[in-house]
Amino acid sequence: SYEVTQPPSMSVSPGQTARIACSGDALANQFAYWYQQRPGQAPVLLIYKDTERSSGIPERFSGSSSGTVATLTISGVQAEDEADYYCQSTDTRGSWVFGGGTKLAVL
Amino acid sequence: EVQLVESGGGLVRPGGSLRLSCAASGFTFSSYNMNWVRRAPGKGLEWVSSISSSGYTHYGDSVKGRFTISRDNLKNSLYLQMESLRADDTAVYYCARAEFATGGFHFWGQGTLVNVSS
Repeated sequence: SYEVTQPPSMSVSPGQTARIACSGDALANQFAYWYQQRPGQAPVLLIYKDTERSSGIPERFSGSSSGTVATLTISGVQAEDEADYYCQSTDTRGSWVFGGGTKLAVL
Repeated sequence: EVQLVESGGGLVRPGGSLRLSCAASGFTFSSYNMNWVRRAPGKGLEWVSSISSSGYTHYGDSVKGRFTISRDNLKNSLYLQMESLRADDTAVYYCARAEFATGGFHFWGQGTLVNVSS
């Protein structure tokens, strides 16, 4: 079955830039979507169609894609950005697939 | 305001059944593809199933043959009938609205917990 892969964890200091990569063969032809999930809360869509910011999402969140790798960039990380981040895409059968998630720690 | 409210979760024994519901409001429910997504304890998000506005259904490999998604457009409700439940089905189950034009799940409910345990 199709998979998208992302690092399980990363840490950044406040004010720094975090870049979370998501890799998968289908990303060369399918869009990537990015979600943030804080403990005890529902996921929130940050980025859709690789680069488009969802309504109400701060400008410090941005997305990019090249070949089989999509990247979520958080510029000027704030303490409130500490959360789990997931990439999402589709496979050739139209099934949705999530990456394993990246736990971002703001130290 | 778009609202999705899940219900029906609870404690169930392995091999048992459970039916989840998602009540939708604030939008024309019949026009949207809907989805179920779950998150098991200590694990990441997993897409479970989707149903199109016209009723076409799709399932993840881990639930195919055991779970059935359905919708009632008159009641603005989405359902997930879960059979032959296993311990690894334990998770918070979310319903989510898919956007045809942009893709992705822009709206989510707060989730309902399913605990499969003896």
